[in-house]
Amino acid sequence: DAGVTQTPRHEVAEKGQTIILKCEPVSGHNDLFWYRQTKIQGLELLSYFRSKSLMEDGGAFKDRFKAEMLNSSFSTLKIQPTEPKDSAVYLCASRTGGAGNTLYFGEGSRLIVV
Amino acid sequence: GQQVQQSPASLVLQEGENAELQCNFSTSLNSMQWFYQRPGGSLVSLFYNPSGTKHSGRLTSTTVIKERRSSLHISSSQTTDSGTYLCALEPGTGSNRLTFGKGTKFSLIP
Repeated sequence: DAGVTQTPRHEVAEKGQTIILKCEPVSGHNDLFWYRQTKIQGLELLSYFRSKSLMEDGGAFKDRFKAEMLNSSFSTLKIQPTEPKDSAVYLCASRTGGAGNTLYFGEGSRLIVV
Repeated sequence: GQQVQQSPASLVLQEGENAELQCNFSTSLNSMQWFYQRPGGSLVSLFYNPSGTKHSGRLTSTTVIKERRSSLHISSSQTTDSGTYLCALEPGTGSNRLTFGKGTKFSLIP
């Protein structure tokens, strides 16, 4: 079975651009998470979907970050407009629905905003 | 305050030594998961451990709920164990999200 697939793996953007990151969860998984990882803050939750419905979002990220899940096998994370402080690794993860199940991560999308 | 605290932040040992990594949490617990991340790589689940002790090869995870702590023990560490180890807490009430610690960066001296 394929794991979590994220594209692009690397992205360099100019300040003010719009960036769309993509994620395909493990087939059959109901829960999907977007995290941002930086050396200083560690992993921070951006969005959490269950069965395509947005369950939680990271309050601090609402204004320029928007995650969507239009079908059960594909999710996008849009950052608009990008700022240099958005430079980080963006990780997508999925799991079979419900607490206590193993979380599977993608390889991440490394974003650099200049 | 931070719900999940990991210690130490970094650890350097010689190959063959045992390592003990700690995770302390301040909220009720539904589950604790441990992950491993190679530099530049993704996170791989090591243990799902809501309570008690679990073993996997040279790794042992112990979660003691009433003491609000979970530990990861690496015995006879090898250079391939180098990387970052993260614990993630799933709260007992409310959210189903996982809240991560900031990780322990583990390095081995050959």
